[in-house]
Amino acid sequence: AQSVAQPEDQVNVAEGNPLTVKCTYSVSGNPYLFWYVQYPNRGLQFLLKYITGDNLVKGSYGFEAEFNKSQTSFHLKKPSALVSDSALYFCAVRYSSASKIIFGSGTRLSIRP
Amino acid sequence: DTGVSQDPRHKITKRGQNVTFRCDPISEHNRLYWYRQTLGQGPEFLTYFQNEAQLEKSRLLSDRFSAERPKGSFSTLEIQRTEQGDSAMYLCASSGLGGADYGYTFGSGTRLTVV
Repeated sequence: AQSVAQPEDQVNVAEGNPLTVKCTYSVSGNPYLFWYVQYPNRGLQFLLKYITGDNLVKGSYGFEAEFNKSQTSFHLKKPSALVSDSALYFCAVRYSSASKIIFGSGTRLSIRP
Repeated sequence: DTGVSQDPRHKITKRGQNVTFRCDPISEHNRLYWYRQTLGQGPEFLTYFQNEAQLEKSRLLSDRFSAERPKGSFSTLEIQRTEQGDSAMYLCASSGLGGADYGYTFGSGTRLTVV
């Protein structure tokens, strides 16, 4: 089945430290991968995407993600966390331009001052 | 264009009542999606339109749910005979026919509480 998994419900990081939020996807053709962020009582905001090309993609707010085909992963990273990065993060996948986006269950990122 | 608009932002209804939500997508986007998100979970796909055609419906969309996009612009999602299990955030998103290069633009959602 086409799906994406976020193995961590919560990630806690001290401000200024690097952060990683994990995501793996099921293998089915060539996936298009996305990260979205959700702040309380808000809709989802697009952060970044991987379609093809360089495995390291850069997105909004200093975030980046690395596509690893052999490990079927697309982990979200940031070199230095900010308290304002605290939010709910969703990894998502679609398998063609015509298909819907499928979301993971989300990871709550908490950055302590 | 200010993005995807959803109305109302919040809706409280009694069990058994009907409710209708509206979504106005970005004007040049011809694809429109509805998702449902319960607390602590990721959004679950409900249905999507390309222009006025409803191209896919999830098995989550029971017979009590119906969605329309009559002129290929705004869309409505109606839930008949609401149940407490329908309580959730209903998210609308839109995208262009640019294909795989783009994710979606989401609205802020309509939070439904069934009491």
